[in-house]
Amino acid sequence: EPEVTQTPSHQVTQMGQEVILRCVPISNHLYFYWYRQILGQKVEFLVSFYNNEISEKSEIFDDQFSVERPDGSNFTLKIRSTKLEDSAMYFCASRTIGQGGYTFGSGTRLTVV
Amino acid sequence: GDSVTQMEGPVTLSEEAFLTINCTYTATGYPSLFWYVQYPGEGLQLLLKATKADDKGSNKGFEATYRKETTSFHLEKGSVQVSDSAVYFCALNNFNKFYFGSGTKLNVKP
Repeated sequence: EPEVTQTPSHQVTQMGQEVILRCVPISNHLYFYWYRQILGQKVEFLVSFYNNEISEKSEIFDDQFSVERPDGSNFTLKIRSTKLEDSAMYFCASRTIGQGGYTFGSGTRLTVV
Repeated sequence: GDSVTQMEGPVTLSEEAFLTINCTYTATGYPSLFWYVQYPGEGLQLLLKATKADDKGSNKGFEATYRKETTSFHLEKGSVQVSDSAVYFCALNNFNKFYFGSGTKLNVKP
């Protein structure tokens, strides 16, 4: 079964450093998402991306965050200057047309120290 | 706005006990409803889903029925196993965005 692949599975970074989280969506999917889960809390929507541009973003997704689909296969989330409160599990998701085709990746656990 | 409320955990059961995890939602329009499971250290796995009122989703002995009249999507399993120990998230998808509940941790003891 096709999967959404995220790398790395765990990243530790120092506060103030830039970090890039990588995702390879399912190849025929057209819509891409990032979600975040702070330890012990809800999974929260960050951003959606379609046709090479952001289609929606949440209040969490401030100027420190950016997304990119640089080469037609990868979908990346960049955090420019990480803060302690950015420590969370970040999930990538992609979907085809229609709500049934939504697939989540296994997540990247980001730890900011 | 759209939201999901699910029962607080943790829920601790003995093996072969009956499981219910309550979930209610608030949404405009016609959302799809989902249950996801998260095992320790792992990502979100789709457990089951229902896309319209009165649909029943089922998988691995778990089931949930989309009840529009009570805005509920309660998860049930007749006989839990130790391997079912995990965190269960109720979620809705509306206008292509997910809204998750806070998760319910299930502990099943042998």
